[in-house]
Amino acid sequence: DAKTTQPNSMESNEEEPVHLPCNHSTISGTDYIHWYRQLPSQGPEYVIHGLTSNVNNRMASLAIAEDRKSSTLILHRATLRDAAVYYCILRGFYNQGGKLIFGQGTELSVKP
Amino acid sequence: KAGVTQTPRYLIKTRGQQVTLSCSPISGHRSVSWYQQTPGQGLQFLFEYFSETQRNKGNFPGRFSGRQFSNSRSEMNVSTLELGDSALYLCASSSGQPTNYGYTFGSGTRLTVV
Repeated sequence: DAKTTQPNSMESNEEEPVHLPCNHSTISGTDYIHWYRQLPSQGPEYVIHGLTSNVNNRMASLAIAEDRKSSTLILHRATLRDAAVYYCILRGFYNQGGKLIFGQGTELSVKP
Repeated sequence: KAGVTQTPRYLIKTRGQQVTLSCSPISGHRSVSWYQQTPGQGLQFLFEYFSETQRNKGNFPGRFSGRQFSNSRSEMNVSTLELGDSALYLCASSSGQPTNYGYTFGSGTRLTVV
């Protein structure tokens, strides 16, 4: 699975939108882009995933660049509960083995 | 529906001992994966079981082993514990199908080796 690059940390104000970037310049055509987050003292939590088109769900939106070499996780209105480490992970379509390769992620802090 | 359950939540063991951790996946999920999380190495994949068979394995020594039962519950065992095995051990369950839906993680077992 290809590698991703994320900023180590980001800050946001409560109730403002947050854009978390991820670079994956070596992505292959069959790699899906997954995002997980890990709140303090908890296991990672699935947020969203996509292949080519932008995706929305109740937690967030995922914007994928046209060349797929980067993506952005968008939290529309940050709350204090969104403070967590966010991981961007590439997962090959044929990866049936449950192996997720986590990088260092982006630690998001949210100020009231 | 119930989430992924890991027991125990906390464990303290002495160097040289062995330990067994348990994971009960979401009902209907046949895949269970195990991860180790440490401040220095982050989250690292240990192994995955699907229908009682190990399907994938990470780069950990043979002291780390696991198994899966017919009800999909899984255990991982670490023998001859070392101080460096102190970590948060997480398991994740999924349907195991070749799709790209998310994995559901448990809250983990915090193992401290003294």
